[in-house]
Amino acid sequence: KQEVTQIPAALSVPEGENLVLNCSFTDSAIYNLQWFRQDPGKGLTSLLLIQSSQREQTSGRLNASLDKSSGRSTLYIAASQPGDSATYLCAVRPRNTGFQKLVFGTGTRLLVSP
Amino acid sequence: EAQVTQNPRYLITVTGKKLTVTCSQNMNHEYMSWYRQDPGLGLRQIYYSMNVEVTDKGDVPEGYKVSRKEKRNFPLILESPSPNQTSLYFCASGRTGASYEQYFGPGTRLTVT
Repeated sequence: KQEVTQIPAALSVPEGENLVLNCSFTDSAIYNLQWFRQDPGKGLTSLLLIQSSQREQTSGRLNASLDKSSGRSTLYIAASQPGDSATYLCAVRPRNTGFQKLVFGTGTRLLVSP
Repeated sequence: EAQVTQNPRYLITVTGKKLTVTCSQNMNHEYMSWYRQDPGLGLRQIYYSMNVEVTDKGDVPEGYKVSRKEKRNFPLILESPSPNQTSLYFCASGRTGASYEQYFGPGTRLTVT
């Protein structure tokens, strides 16, 4: 059974720092991995989608990497801003259960202070 | 604007009173799904639908029903809600296929007393 773990559960940094969020998964048989941002009252916003054949994806100040063989992904946020404060979730799409669902981690709650 | 909408956003109800949470998407997606989010457990899939009239159970389907009569709508029905169904519910949609990303609605916070 695929399990997804995110460490740390919470992170507090001052504005301007570069930071890395970690995601690990137990089964490397995945179609892709998706990073989301969750803001209170606003649902989940998709940030980046990395296909299993890719090593990384970039969007603005965000860079996500994928090492499928070791079951790890990282989300790098450059020059963090208070507006980045949110909970960040990673989710994988397992191959062995078809593509019908995402398996989520429990998230990293990020607080960026001015 | 491409979006997934859910209604209501907040709901407090009593045990046993049937309720429906609506979900609608305007992106012509074939695939739609319901998840619930609970502290320490993350998001877990309740039901999903690959297209109109095609639905199947996810990981935690007990106590829920769904229907897919139109492509854009995928309501979640709780026929006899219980307190253990108090949770934050998300609807998602996407194109059918493993490589496509999923888009999520804003969530419905349900409290059953």
